[in-house]
Amino acid sequence: DTAVSQTPKYLVTQMGNDKSIKCEQNLGHDTMYWYKQDSKKFLKIMFSYNNKELIINETVPNRFSPKSPDKAHLNLHINSLELGDSAVYFCASSPLRGSYEQFFGPGTRLTVL
Amino acid sequence: AQSVTQLDSQVPVFEEAPVELRCNYSSSVSVYLFWYVQYPNQGLQLLLKYLSGSTLVKGINGFEAEFNKSQTSFHLRKPSVHISDTAEYFCAVRLETSYDKVIFGPGTSLSVIP
Repeated sequence: DTAVSQTPKYLVTQMGNDKSIKCEQNLGHDTMYWYKQDSKKFLKIMFSYNNKELIINETVPNRFSPKSPDKAHLNLHINSLELGDSAVYFCASSPLRGSYEQFFGPGTRLTVL
Repeated sequence: AQSVTQLDSQVPVFEEAPVELRCNYSSSVSVYLFWYVQYPNQGLQLLLKYLSGSTLVKGINGFEAEFNKSQTSFHLRKPSVHISDTAEYFCAVRLETSYDKVIFGPGTSLSVIP
């Protein structure tokens, strides 16, 4: 069974479009995250949710809006896509206590043309 | 503010040779430390972690790391690398006082040469 899943795996779209990436975890974790990995492999946290509540909102354009319908899901909606949004986006989850390890999804490669 | 430095962006090493990937961090409070590995076109997975106790931590695939509080370092080592170890390696830090925010280093690309 996949622990953290993301859809789609690849997303190619035109500038100005709106797109969404979905994330689901079946680990029963309380906290979920979105990360952006640029072409140099640098990994930057974008958002963190704990039990559907926004905890971390880093300096991210407000074109990016996370939505957590329940504890197991954290979706990322992006409005008015720009060339600079091209990257790999990773969803992750972790338990609130204990190991603090993060479990990552396989990533979504977004290409904006 | 906390930060994580990985001094080597790329490390080429011959198969069966030992390797050390360096990680230093800065923080004014106690931290938890992690090493993650990212194989090509995949997500990150945990190699090992230091939460407390013994400063020498063993992880998967024969990797180990040593926490040195005085030098604020958490270097990753493997005595003999395989081709399959070719990947990107990330050091990460989480404050003991923060359950949700992890700072990742810039990554080290390990290339194992046959």
